Amino acid sequence: DTGVSQNPRHKITKRGQNVTFRCDPISEHNRLYWYRQTLGQGPEFLTYFQNEAQLEKSRLLSDRFSAERPKGSFSTLEIQRTEQGDSAMYLCASSPTSVDIQYFGAGTRLSVL
Amino acid sequence: AQSVAQPEDQVNVAEGNPLTVKCTYSVSGNPYLFWYVQYPNRGLQFLLKYITGDNLVKGSYGFEAEFNKSQTSFHLKKPSALVSDSALYFCAVMRDSGYALNFGKGTSLLVTP
Repeated sequence: DTGVSQNPRHKITKRGQNVTFRCDPISEHNRLYWYRQTLGQGPEFLTYFQNEAQLEKSRLLSDRFSAERPKGSFSTLEIQRTEQGDSAMYLCASSPTSVDIQYFGAGTRLSVL
Repeated sequence: AQSVAQPEDQVNVAEGNPLTVKCTYSVSGNPYLFWYVQYPNRGLQFLLKYITGDNLVKGSYGFEAEFNKSQTSFHLKKPSALVSDSALYFCAVMRDSGYALNFGKGTSLLVTP
């Protein structure tokens, strides 16, 4: 499978715990995006990387959120001290260039109890 | 800021009839517009895009969209709907910095036999 891969698919955690999600983009795609989607809404941009550099972060990305893309390959999104409001689908996408199609993974659904 | 609006929460169509899912946009500069489809518990799948060129854009699964600059619209169309087209459809516009996507809230399409 050469598509965007996200793990885990589902994550249930208790409020206050830390969680980490992983995204493996399509090989050789140098741009990687994270979005968050809540029920009944369209995806909202969180942050993006060009290679290993994190170039933009949305105001939605509070200090509890951190993302990395070491060596410009896979990326991780960590949420510290989770809150119930963090419950959402977290989507990762990659694209080969800037003005281009973004290919999405199946997402990680986070439930904070 | 670049934004799109999807005025309909739900569109109902009988199988075999033409379908239209509406999208209007608000941008500064040239719009880069996209349509994606989302099936339950799945990520987003790319349907088509408008960057420049012909106003009628053909995409995957028989879908097409018409870019109308005077009406600032980018409606998704299909001449003959299938039950399997039932899904959630998102219109998106590329941001003018960073190239992430701003999505509409989505339109649920229901095609009945």
